Amino acid sequence: SQKIEQNSEALNIQEGKTATLTCNYTNYSPAYLQWYRQDPGRGPVFLLLIRENEKEKRKERLKVTFDTTLKQSLFHITASQPADSATYLCALGAGAGSYQLTFGKGTKLSVIP
Amino acid sequence: ETGVTQSPTHLIKTRGQQVTLRCSSQSGHNTVSWYQQALGQGPQFIFQYYREEENGRGNFPPRFSGLQFPNYSSELNVNALELDDSALYLCASSSGLAGGSLAKNIQYFGAGTRLSVL
Repeated sequence: SQKIEQNSEALNIQEGKTATLTCNYTNYSPAYLQWYRQDPGRGPVFLLLIRENEKEKRKERLKVTFDTTLKQSLFHITASQPADSATYLCALGAGAGSYQLTFGKGTKLSVIP
Repeated sequence: ETGVTQSPTHLIKTRGQQVTLRCSSQSGHNTVSWYQQALGQGPQFIFQYYREEENGRGNFPPRFSGLQFPNYSSELNVNALELDDSALYLCASSSGLAGGSLAKNIQYFGAGTRLSVL
């Protein structure tokens, strides 16, 4: 069955450092991958989308990579700030004709001042 | 803000009862998806509606049903509630079926309805 794993349930990092979150998947061939941020008591908020034929995407301090051979996506936050503390979710999409998103459990990031 | 609103915010029901959760999508968004998020888990896809018709369903039993209305509102109905149905229920709207544009499947989530089944 399809499985999505995000590297750890929780990640603590010092302010100013780069946070790296991992999303691994098995038994799945996603056409694209999305990353969302979720704060306590709120719904997820879209951050970035990367297609299967793209290696890297950037948006301000965020960078995501997608390696379909390794079946892995890495999500980086550079110069992390306490305001970046949240749970980050990766979501896989099968592509046109199937609009279901399959989410991982998320990684709770805490940026320590 | 995402422009997606859900009501009520919290709800307490007892086992065997029925519940209706409501969502108001972002204006112009023809697609609405519903997700169930248990504590400490990621959202699980329940089903999706496009222009008032079901357009895909996850691994949920038929007692989970939905409706979508022309005015960008939608409902999730759950019959014969079970204890395991306790979760955060999220509604997400998107601008339409992908049709070649993956950007149309970016989900805009509401804050959710927290359902507790006792």
